[in-house]
Amino acid sequence: SQTIHQWPATLVQPVGSPLSLECTVEGTSNPNLYWYRQAAGRGLQLLFYSVGIGQISSEVPQNLSASRPQDRQFILSSKKLLLSDSGFYLCAWSVQGARQPQHFGDGTRLSIL
Amino acid sequence: GENVEQHPSTLSVQEGDSAVIKCTYSDSASNYFPWYKQELGKGPQLIIDIRSNVGEKKDQRIAVTLNKTAKHFSLHITETQPEDSAVYFCAARGMDTGRRALTFGSGTRLQVQP
Repeated sequence: SQTIHQWPATLVQPVGSPLSLECTVEGTSNPNLYWYRQAAGRGLQLLFYSVGIGQISSEVPQNLSASRPQDRQFILSSKKLLLSDSGFYLCAWSVQGARQPQHFGDGTRLSIL
Repeated sequence: GENVEQHPSTLSVQEGDSAVIKCTYSDSASNYFPWYKQELGKGPQLIIDIRSNVGEKKDQRIAVTLNKTAKHFSLHITETQPEDSAVYFCAARGMDTGRRALTFGSGTRLQVQP
């Protein structure tokens, strides 16, 4: 069966520090991968998605970037964090193709001080 | 792009009663509509989904209906139990070929009172 792992589960970082959140998927090949951010009490906002190694599409301009160095690895990064980057970050995967469900990891809660 | 609105934002029911959550979408070409349940501190879990060629789908106590003409879809939970308490999100996938992701509603916090 397929599983998705995100780490760390929680992270507290000072303003201006760098960020690296990692997501890996097991049990499937060539998945679509996604990064979402969820503000407190709000819905999910898509940040990035990837259909293959090295292929990244950005949904909103922001202080973050994403990379996919391996087929089942997706990384969310920042060079200098802002207070507004605080939130709950979720990684998801889906099988390639239309109308396929997305499956989420358990997220990383990021607090910027 | 797609816009999804979800109502109500909070819903409280007595154990054993039914709960209904409604969503509307803007892109008439949208063809896939999943529902997710999110418990505190966890990622959303897919509970049921429906595709545009189907009007209704049921899985035990959970059902989803889709009205393509009116561009709305609903989640129905019957015989609610305390463990159904969570935040529920609807989502829709539009036909923009450059975008393979979902647009989510803002969520409904369901509280089932024992």
